Amino acid sequence: KNQVEQSPQSLIILEGKNCTLQCNYTVSPFSNLRWYKQDTGRGPVSLTIMTFSENTKSNGRYTATLDADTKQSSLHITASQLSDSASYICVVSPRAGGTSYGKLTFGQGTILTVHP
Amino acid sequence: DSGVTQTPKHLITATGQRVTLRCSPRSGDLSVYWYQQSLDQGLQFLIQYYNGEERAKGNILERFSAQQFPDLHSELNLSSLELGDSALYFCASSGSRTGQEYYEQYFGPGTRLTVT
Repeated sequence: KNQVEQSPQSLIILEGKNCTLQCNYTVSPFSNLRWYKQDTGRGPVSLTIMTFSENTKSNGRYTATLDADTKQSSLHITASQLSDSASYICVVSPRAGGTSYGKLTFGQGTILTVHP
Repeated sequence: DSGVTQTPKHLITATGQRVTLRCSPRSGDLSVYWYQQSLDQGLQFLIQYYNGEERAKGNILERFSAQQFPDLHSELNLSSLELGDSALYFCASSGSRTGQEYYEQYFGPGTRLTVT
């Protein structure tokens, strides 16, 4: 069964600090991996998308890395801000074709709280 | 604002009832996806439509059905509602024209369904 596991489940940091969130997946074959930010009660918003051939991608203070060999990804947030408080969700997409099309597999998310 | 609209924002109904959730995709997007997010669970893929045709099915119950109309808006019908159906229901759209799920999915604000 395709799975996406995220750690930690929750994290509390002080404003201005850096943090790293982890994602391990078993989805195979694999097309791309996405990180989403979801504010409470709102729809997820994409931060990064990486194909299996990419190993890093940045979006402002967010940097995602991908190791397709070990099936691991991380999201690094630098100089955190209060507005970074949200759930961060790792999402893996299987390769196109057949019945796997569109079936994104979502992790449970890491709840990040940034304190002043 | 993702450009995806969902109505209603909130819905409160009783067990056994039937409701319809509506989604309008971003202008030009042909694919619409429906997701369910329960309190203690991550996002679960329900179903995808592409240009009016069902493209992929996820963990959608038989009591649930969806369709996409010629103007590309979509409706998710939930019937014989149970307490456990209480959740946030998200719609997302993407501009995939070749069937590649790499295309970014843009999520709507969601409909919060409460079954009492």
